[in-house]
Amino acid sequence: EAQVTQNPRYLITVTGKKLTVTCSQNMNHEYMSWYRQDPGLGLRQIYYSMNVEVTDKGDVPEGYKVSRKEKRNFPLILESPSPNQTSLYFCASSEDRGEQETQYFGPGTRLLVL
Amino acid sequence: SQQGEEDPQALSIQEGENATMNCSYKTSINNLQWYRQNSGRGLVHLILIRSNEREKHSGRLRVTLDTSKKSSSLLITASRAADTASYFCATDDNTGKLIFGQGTTLQVKP
Repeated sequence: EAQVTQNPRYLITVTGKKLTVTCSQNMNHEYMSWYRQDPGLGLRQIYYSMNVEVTDKGDVPEGYKVSRKEKRNFPLILESPSPNQTSLYFCASSEDRGEQETQYFGPGTRLLVL
Repeated sequence: SQQGEEDPQALSIQEGENATMNCSYKTSINNLQWYRQNSGRGLVHLILIRSNEREKHSGRLRVTLDTSKKSSSLLITASRAADTASYFCATDDNTGKLIFGQGTTLQVKP
């Protein structure tokens, strides 16, 4: 089954404790992206990747890192989480960033930073 | 910055009625997409309309695009209780980013 998976689905952590949220897709998609969703703000793009070893900042990259060493995986790293990073995070992928492409979303990771 | 702004923020209708949601954006785009999100879950792509298209249909969905007004509308006809969800527009300006609006929460009462 074609899908985007994220782990963990729920995470409670404390300020400053490094964490990684994994994202994996099995569709051989070139483009992957991370979003955060907050009430009243909709979805905002954190980082995106056009292909392996190619990443770029989205609209709200501060406090986050990503890597794209393999095509299927695009982990989101919070080196020193802060309470303002409490949010619902979505990973998404598409075949490429051509005009016709739609994005497939993971189920989301709900993060609480105390 | 938010590209898409949606209107209304919330909409409540009876089953069988039509639901119309609007999206406005600021810059030129290659395409505009509509997504649906059930509570707390991932987004599901509904329909994509290109900048040179004015109207597109998919089942009970009808999307229009007016590039002169930088606006789009999503019409759901003959709504069902299962259509209850949040609906987001997203614009693609071909810079690698897909920018989402804040969404319209639709409630369809049985």
